[in-house]
Amino acid sequence: SYVLTQPPSVSVAPGKTARITCGGNNIGSKSVHWYQQKPGQAPVLVIYYDSDRPSGIPERFSGSNSGNTATLTISRVEAGDEADYYCQVWDSSSDHPKVFGGGTKLTVL
Amino acid sequence: QVQLVESGGGLVKPGGSLRLSCAASGFTFSDYYMSWIRQAPGKGLEWVSYISSSGSTIYYADSVKGRFTISRDNAKNSLYLQMNSLRAEDTAVYYCARDGPLYGESDYWGQGTLVTVSS
Repeated sequence: SYVLTQPPSVSVAPGKTARITCGGNNIGSKSVHWYQQKPGQAPVLVIYYDSDRPSGIPERFSGSNSGNTATLTISRVEAGDEADYYCQVWDSSSDHPKVFGGGTKLTVL
Repeated sequence: QVQLVESGGGLVKPGGSLRLSCAASGFTFSDYYMSWIRQAPGKGLEWVSYISSSGSTIYYADSVKGRFTISRDNAKNSLYLQMNSLRAEDTAVYYCARDGPLYGESDYWGQGTLVTVSS
């Protein structure tokens, strides 16, 4: 089945830009979604279809997807962005179609 | 507003059974695909099962296939997960989520219900 690989952790200073990657075989041919999860809370969709933002998600959150890597970019990082972030794809060729990455802990220094 | 409320979690012995429910409101439930997703303590998200809007298409993760059964009652705006032959490794918070029809994005999640499998 399809595998998504994320770095376990990313650290960034407030006001800087954080980039969280999600690697997968030819992931650029799939739609990638990103979720933010804060401690004790349910995940929240922050990016869908590679780069679209749901209503209510700040413009500081953006996404891209090409080749074997999708990237979630958080600009002007704030302390409140500290959370776990998960990528997810839908592998339509599989009978296990919904695949999550292992998650990345974003630490704001 | 969209609301998903899970219930039915609790403590169960290995080999036991549990039925989770997810009550949906604020949207036309019968129009949407739904998923169960779980998270073991301190671990990442793991997709468990998926059901199409009509219930005609169902998928399971290998880890639960043959033991768990997903179902829905569109008249009652409810999603279910029947869990049999439970194992310690099934211990997790179980979330229900509303899915998009094409690419499986989960745009709304419930607050989760904790299932603990222990003797």
